[in-house]
Amino acid sequence: RKEVEQDPGPFNVPEGATVAFNCTYSNSASQSFFWYRQDCRKEPKLLMSVYSSGNEDGRFTAQLNRASQYISLLIRDSKLSDSATYLCVVTLTSGGSYIPTFGRGTSLIVHP
Amino acid sequence: GAGVSQSPSNKVTEKGKDVELRCDPISGHTALYWYRQSLGQGLEFLIYFQGNSAPDKSGLPSDRFSAERTGGSVSTLTIQRTQQEDSAVYLCASSLALSSGGVTYEQYFGPGTRLTVT
Repeated sequence: RKEVEQDPGPFNVPEGATVAFNCTYSNSASQSFFWYRQDCRKEPKLLMSVYSSGNEDGRFTAQLNRASQYISLLIRDSKLSDSATYLCVVTLTSGGSYIPTFGRGTSLIVHP
Repeated sequence: GAGVSQSPSNKVTEKGKDVELRCDPISGHTALYWYRQSLGQGLEFLIYFQGNSAPDKSGLPSDRFSAERTGGSVSTLTIQRTQQEDSAVYLCASSLALSSGGVTYEQYFGPGTRLTVT
């Protein structure tokens, strides 16, 4: 089983739709969680951190489910500009080491 | 303020040559990471530096890869005797620090260096 898994998609949704992605992780000791977006041929850009209590930033909501070992990203009222690949990042803190593990990403295409 | 910068943006080299990739992190950021991303693949961790501590090199794929960070700022990733499978985008990221209370800080990425080995 891969350490961090994402459905590659693509998720093809119309403008205004609500879409959700999940990201599962294998190590229950993982402590830090983030969502990044990556546009084609560009570097990843931080979208939001994921806190244990869940957090919201405008149209974006991130949640952590430790029991089932996954994080989720919900996008409401999708815009054309939301089209991108969404990467989840999980960091396992072990023995003083903090190695981030990236998922391969979920592709989102928002169409008119 | 200025973000993470990397140079060169593109590098084409012949198999067997050595290459050096440079990363200039955000001022004040003590943690610096190197990753590589092959076409259609996820980011693969290579190495990170935190302040003056010994770097975590556990992700370096072979002894042809090395990195250093001088004066706690600029970092150079060196690939010796390049192979075609080294072709990828090499991304550098920096963060304020490695972690606080066991939780890592957000990383900010540079634009990457696209390496092509012919």
